[in-house]
Amino acid sequence: SQQGEEDPQALSIQEGENATMNCSYKTSINNLQWYRQNSGRGLVHLILIRSNEREKHSGRLRVTLDTSKKSSSLLITASRAADTASYFCATDSETSGSRLTFGEGTQLTVNP
Amino acid sequence: NAGVTQTPKFQVLKTGQSMTLQCAQDMNHEYMSWYRQDPGMGLRLIHYSVGAGITDQGEVPNGYNVSRSTTEDFPLRLLSAAPSQTSVYFCASSYSGFSGNTIYFGEGSWLTVV
Repeated sequence: SQQGEEDPQALSIQEGENATMNCSYKTSINNLQWYRQNSGRGLVHLILIRSNEREKHSGRLRVTLDTSKKSSSLLITASRAADTASYFCATDSETSGSRLTFGEGTQLTVNP
Repeated sequence: NAGVTQTPKFQVLKTGQSMTLQCAQDMNHEYMSWYRQDPGMGLRLIHYSVGAGITDQGEVPNGYNVSRSTTEDFPLRLLSAAPSQTSVYFCASSYSGFSGNTIYFGEGSWLTVV
């Protein structure tokens, strides 16, 4: 079963706007990661947030984690056409045997 | 460093044929894994290895075999291909485990079984 579920499934915005994607999960986690996948390519790691952290930043990326709501959000500020990609959250937990479980992804389209 | 290298990029198989997807990493990573990606399903773990000589099953292991004779290589074998195995396959590696560590992915292998 899928641990992480992204929302929305698809998002279309204009260049310069901010994009927010959400990830919900079902069981307690150790860590949550966000990955980007360009069309026809492999996944690329963006950011990792641990269960005892609430917010992390990396360049134009901001990730929040709310363990009480079992959810995380990825904010991309001042989006660019090059940000067009699918974004996945991945979690690991004691019940997953420390293996990553991926959500189905959010397809982000940034229009020039 | 080349990172994680997968071959072939594209492959068409007939039902019942066997084949091996190759995966190699040059980062001296202990952990390696194979995932398949299907529309609306995210990535699902097929098999993984925590070091040379050690392999274990993931979420969807049926129809696939793996071996880990060296740290660098982790081939995935399809024993008797079925149309349900049409998918995109990703090999991945990490330095010291999947929990809390960055996973490095290959570029993917597109497999069609007819």
